[in-house]
Amino acid sequence: DQQVKQNSPSLSVQEGRISILNCDYTNSMFDYFLWYKKYPAEGPTFLISISSIKDKNEDGRFTVFLNKSAKHLSLHIVPSQPGDSAVYFCAAKSFQKLVFGTGTRLLVSP
Amino acid sequence: EAQVTQNPRYLITVTGKKLTVTCSQNMNHEYMSWYRQDPGLGLRQIYYSMNVEVTDKGDVPEGYKVSRKEKRNFPLILESPSPNQTSLYFCASSPTVIGHSPLHFGNGTRLTVT
Repeated sequence: DQQVKQNSPSLSVQEGRISILNCDYTNSMFDYFLWYKKYPAEGPTFLISISSIKDKNEDGRFTVFLNKSAKHLSLHIVPSQPGDSAVYFCAAKSFQKLVFGTGTRLLVSP
Repeated sequence: EAQVTQNPRYLITVTGKKLTVTCSQNMNHEYMSWYRQDPGLGLRQIYYSMNVEVTDKGDVPEGYKVSRKEKRNFPLILESPSPNQTSLYFCASSPTVIGHSPLHFGNGTRLTVT
């Protein structure tokens, strides 16, 4: 049973526009959420996170929104740049477990 | 440079031939973990370790073994590999999993079992 779902396998956006990546979860015990970015032939790298007691966290061009009632998480990238093209994984933490979603491949075209 | 190092990067082997994928971190992290990445399934945890001599199963531990004899090393052992273990493997570490420390990942090991 997939506790963390990313229903869009891919997303294409033009440079300068907003990219919105979505993530849904089922376990209400998750208390912390993270986004990782992965380039080909590299391991995932941490991007941004949010605690379950918050509904928004911002870091430069990246903003993560959390809607606990809907069990929904989203990552906004504004403005999108070609270098943002990568696979993005959302992850959710509960106690000592970190559960990852299936990933969304973002392509930002010039 | 702070990093997680996995070896080898690529490995092709045959069914039943024991193999070990090494993982080493130089950040004095307590927590280490192994994941496998498969198309459509994301990253799934195989085993994790909270500290030296403390290991536990993740979501997909069948067919794998681990050990944590030293803090820096966390090898993944496949005693009798099978084709369904063909995958991309990642080792990761963090100062502690309790709290909000993000994981640091290695660059991955692509394993093919024929």
